[in-house]
Amino acid sequence: NAGVTQTPKFRVLKTGQSMTLLCAQDMNHEYMYWYRQDPGMGLRLIHYSVGEGTTAKGEVPDGYNVSRLKKQNFLLGLESAAPSQTSVYFCASSNYRAEQYFGPGTRLTVT
Amino acid sequence: GDSVTQMEGPVTLSEEAFLTINCTYTATGYPSLFWYVQYPGEGLQLLLKATKADDKGSNKGFEATYRKETTSFHLEKGSVQVSDSAVYFCALGSDSNYQLIWGAGTKLIIKP
Repeated sequence: NAGVTQTPKFRVLKTGQSMTLLCAQDMNHEYMYWYRQDPGMGLRLIHYSVGEGTTAKGEVPDGYNVSRLKKQNFLLGLESAAPSQTSVYFCASSNYRAEQYFGPGTRLTVT
Repeated sequence: GDSVTQMEGPVTLSEEAFLTINCTYTATGYPSLFWYVQYPGEGLQLLLKATKADDKGSNKGFEATYRKETTSFHLEKGSVQVSDSAVYFCALGSDSNYQLIWGAGTKLIIKP
């Protein structure tokens, strides 16, 4: 089992560009999450999904969109990147009230 | 609402010292409790968990006991190593949330 995978691992964008981050899990988990982690900071939840075709806003959703068309995939989109979105992005998956399993992260720099 | 409070870091210890990282929580009902570890440049890994009162989670020499009377889940290790240097996160999962509620993280630095 690969667990939770994220692509790409690194990305540099210019302000105003768009991109999509892909998260995939092979554990048949119902719930998936996108977090951002800024240097020396904890985790902040961006969006999450409680099942295929559903999404919900987390703590810091502005500037991001998500989609969960298939149970195993959760996409995070940045429509118009800003320097404030420079961060490390982590995807996670879980079942109800269970531990979350994390991907290795995507390091995004917006110049 | 539900919340988790961790001791602030960084915590700096010498190798072979005893470690305690405090975690307390506020929650309705009977939450599950977790400790995660994040090594430099990596994602978060589950270290241990406990799902009901008085349960003790343990892994890699670390332990934590779910204490409902004190609403605590403190992380302990009897003899730390340089390789334990990392950031440790306490988290709570409850019936009222689809999410985990995270503590702010505690950076642990172990000096040889």
